[in-house]
Amino acid sequence: NAGVTQTPKFQVLKTGQSMTLQCAQDMNHNSMYWYRQDPGMGLRLIYYSASEGTTDKGEVPNGYNVSRLNKREFSLRLESAAPSQTSVYFCASSELRGRPYNEQFFGPGTRLTVL
Amino acid sequence: QKEVEQNSGPLSVPEGAIASLNCTYSDRGSQSFFWYRQYSGKSPELIMFIYSNGDKEDGRFTAQLNKASQYVSLLIRDSQPSDSATYLCAGGYTGANSKLTFGKGITLSVRP
Repeated sequence: NAGVTQTPKFQVLKTGQSMTLQCAQDMNHNSMYWYRQDPGMGLRLIYYSASEGTTDKGEVPNGYNVSRLNKREFSLRLESAAPSQTSVYFCASSELRGRPYNEQFFGPGTRLTVL
Repeated sequence: QKEVEQNSGPLSVPEGAIASLNCTYSDRGSQSFFWYRQYSGKSPELIMFIYSNGDKEDGRFTAQLNKASQYVSLLIRDSQPSDSATYLCAGGYTGANSKLTFGKGITLSVRP
C-alpha cells in the first residue's frame, strides 16, 4: 500500500498561473481533505470531501476549487495563483464509519511557491 | 469558532527527561483528540489518539484527556533526541462529515 500520494512534490508558479494538485489514496477511505500549512499557523482546512460526490468548504477555501474525481482521487485547483498561496499543501484521508475516531492519514505534501 | 490552542513554545528538555505538551480546546462537543508528530520537511504522522476521559499509554507516550476542563496533554517519558519535532494537537467529532481542528503546534527539542 502506498497510502496517500501527492503530485507534484514541488512547484513554482508565477502570479496568475493556474495549476492542479493531485491526491490519491489506496486505503479505500471515504473521506479526503486538503490542508495548507504556513509557518506558525498550523494546518488549516481548505476543502474536504466526506464521501465520493460531495465536497464542502473548510476554513480557508477562497482562491481554490476541488474535484472528488472518484473514491480514490481528490484534486485541488488554483485558478489564478497569488503569492499569498505560497504554502505547503497536504492531502489526507480517513475512514469514519463504524469507528469511534477519525484518524487522518497524510500524504507527503506539495511545496508551492508563487512568485 | 472552534479553536485548539497549544501552549507557546518552543520546548526544550534534556535527554531522558519527561516532556509535557499541553492543548486546550474551545468546542465542548469535541469527541476525539489526536497528537501528530511532524519532523521538519515531512508530513504529520499520528502517534496517539484518545476519546475517553483519563489516561492512555502507548510505550513512552501517555495521552491525557479531561473533558470537564477541556484539555488534552501528551507526556513523553525518557525523551530521546529523535523525539525532536513539532507536535500538533487536533480535536474533532466522529461522523460522516467530521473534520479536525488543529492547533498551531509546539516544537520540542531534546538536548543530548
